[in-house]
Amino acid sequence: GIQVEQSPPDLILQEGANSTLRCNFSDSVNNLQWFHQNPWGQLINLFYIPSGTKQNGRLSATTVATERYSLLYISSSQTTDSGVYFCAVEPYSGAGSYQLTFGKGTKLSVIP
Amino acid sequence: ETGVTQTPRHLVMGMTNKKSLKCEQHLGHNAMYWYKQSAKKPLELMFVYSLEERVENNSVPSRFSPECPNSSHLFLHLHTLQPEDSALYLCASSQDWGQGTSPLHFGNGTRLTVT
Repeated sequence: GIQVEQSPPDLILQEGANSTLRCNFSDSVNNLQWFHQNPWGQLINLFYIPSGTKQNGRLSATTVATERYSLLYISSSQTTDSGVYFCAVEPYSGAGSYQLTFGKGTKLSVIP
Repeated sequence: ETGVTQTPRHLVMGMTNKKSLKCEQHLGHNAMYWYKQSAKKPLELMFVYSLEERVENNSVPSRFSPECPNSSHLFLHLHTLQPEDSALYLCASSQDWGQGTSPLHFGNGTRLTVT
């Protein structure tokens, strides 16, 4: 099946710093989504971005589908950005099975 | 408020108990999912329902039994679980299911501990 690798696995930032999280995937995809899981376990959908660039406040994401990677940018980080960021992809499939495969996540800790 | 509500938030059960997890979505979506999140492992898809029909079943043991009575409600019935089944169980919904599935919206999860 498709492989999803996220880097770095862990990241510690000073409040106010910027960061870039990366998601590499091993095959062509129909669908790519970024999620944030807060320390209480709640998963929030940040972006639905199979290709191109999107921005939402201090967050933006870019997917370069032809090169099989996606980047999540966090600017002016805040302590509330702490948690785990997951990338999930759905591979092209002619077999009728459409499943999101999740990476292992990047654990971000923003310190005051 | 996520639009997807799961109950209970926490559950402790013995290996011989029978319990059920409940999920309700208020988003008018047509697809609902159960995911399992164990420590140190990626999220694993367990079941997918699209328009109340099960469309994915990822080799999940029969001690987990899903039920989708309508497009807004999803249950996961549990019986004779093992300690290794302890995990966070997450329900999700999306507008539709299929190629290029639309954005997933998750509930807050049920933290299950099997003793």
